[in-house]
Amino acid sequence: GNSVTQMEGPVTLSEEAFLTINCTYTATGYPSLFWYVQYPGEGLQLLLKATKADDKGSNKGFEATYRKETTSFHLEKGSVQVSDSAVYFCALSGEDTGGFKTIFGAGTRLFVKA
Amino acid sequence: ETGVTQTPRHLVMGMTNKKSLKCEQHLGHNAMYWYKQSAKKPLELMFVYSLEERVENNSVPSRFSPECPNSSHLFLHLHTLQPEDSALYLCASSQSRPGLAGGPYEQYFGPGTRLTVT
Repeated sequence: GNSVTQMEGPVTLSEEAFLTINCTYTATGYPSLFWYVQYPGEGLQLLLKATKADDKGSNKGFEATYRKETTSFHLEKGSVQVSDSAVYFCALSGEDTGGFKTIFGAGTRLFVKA
Repeated sequence: ETGVTQTPRHLVMGMTNKKSLKCEQHLGHNAMYWYKQSAKKPLELMFVYSLEERVENNSVPSRFSPECPNSSHLFLHLHTLQPEDSALYLCASSQSRPGLAGGPYEQYFGPGTRLTVT
């Protein structure tokens, strides 16, 4: 079946450090891939997405590239800020998930220290 | 502001109470979802409504009863809950075309209702 595996947290970084959060997936067909972010006390919000192989999603300095050959969608940011502290969820959705059902990873909590 | 609102934001209820959670979306979407988010557990999909019909019910206990009167509103009716039901309940919506290829669309979440069962 379809699944998403992301690195366990928490991840603790100093401000301006480089961030990578690994995400791999298992899916049949060609799913769309997403990163969602959840700030404290809020719901999830879409951070970026990619809908086909080799697409790069980007937003607020974050980037992720849809790699079909390695079934990965790793999240990166060159210089994190304290305000990036949140929980990050990798997710996929596609025809095989019913077209409207999203499979979420377990989430990775990021702490950024000043 | 994500366009999805949830009320109440916080709820404390006893195990014998009956209460309802409300979700409203102002985005013109045609699919709505209830999720349960517990500490140290993955996000759990509870129910999916598409075009006001329930299309997914993930083995949720009958003490949770969803209702979708129209495409903009979604309710979760609660009765005789257990302490382990304490969690953050998230509502989401999306624009989806069930049954057709070329889906999928991102989901928009509300801020959640923090439920505590005593």
